[in-house]
Amino acid sequence: EPEVTQTPSHQVTQMGQEVILRCVPISNHLYFYWYRQILGQKVEFLVSFYNNEISEKSEIFDDQFSVERPDGSNFTLKIRSTKLEDSAMYFCATVKIATNEKLFFGSGTQLSVL
Amino acid sequence: SQQGEEDPQALSIQEGENATMNCSYKTSINNLQWYRQNSGRGLVHLILIRSNEREKHSGRLRVTLDTSKKSSSLLITASRAADTASYFCATDAGYSSASKIIFGSGTRLSIRP
Repeated sequence: EPEVTQTPSHQVTQMGQEVILRCVPISNHLYFYWYRQILGQKVEFLVSFYNNEISEKSEIFDDQFSVERPDGSNFTLKIRSTKLEDSAMYFCATVKIATNEKLFFGSGTQLSVL
Repeated sequence: SQQGEEDPQALSIQEGENATMNCSYKTSINNLQWYRQNSGRGLVHLILIRSNEREKHSGRLRVTLDTSKKSSSLLITASRAADTASYFCATDAGYSSASKIIFGSGTRLSIRP
């Protein structure tokens, strides 16, 4: 069973639409992250989340993005009004308690904005 | 500016040979990690080395860290076809408590049979 499960695996949306990407870690995860990777390029940090609030965010994570962990289990990334350049693979990652800074990655959501 | 940069960007070697990848970074760090990614899938943690360590081994992997040069290397010995993947270094950029972990641009490793 994977440590982190992401849904959906693929998401196609029209420009300007809102999307919500979901991440479900197994229990005892401490830090939560969203990363994105445009095809063939580097893995870019978007945001980290700890103790129910944003810990750090990058310049990519502008007002169009938000994160929350509404029920103590699911960790979501919302893009309010998608742009063509938001097309990428989005990865959720977590750090478990007592594993130092080792990241556990989900398998990703491929977002395509048309 | 990029926190982590790997070189080479791409590396192709014969099966059985050793593969060496390098990573340079710019700020002070608490630790450095190496990850592997197969074909756009999620990254998988390989090894972590702390800033007060100089070398670490795990199976066929050997990682070195030189904090004076702000660089690290990943050596994969006796390469196999299954080692074909992209390899990324990641640092905490000196942030405390894992609040921000930044990845380099990666090295694409191809192992020829």
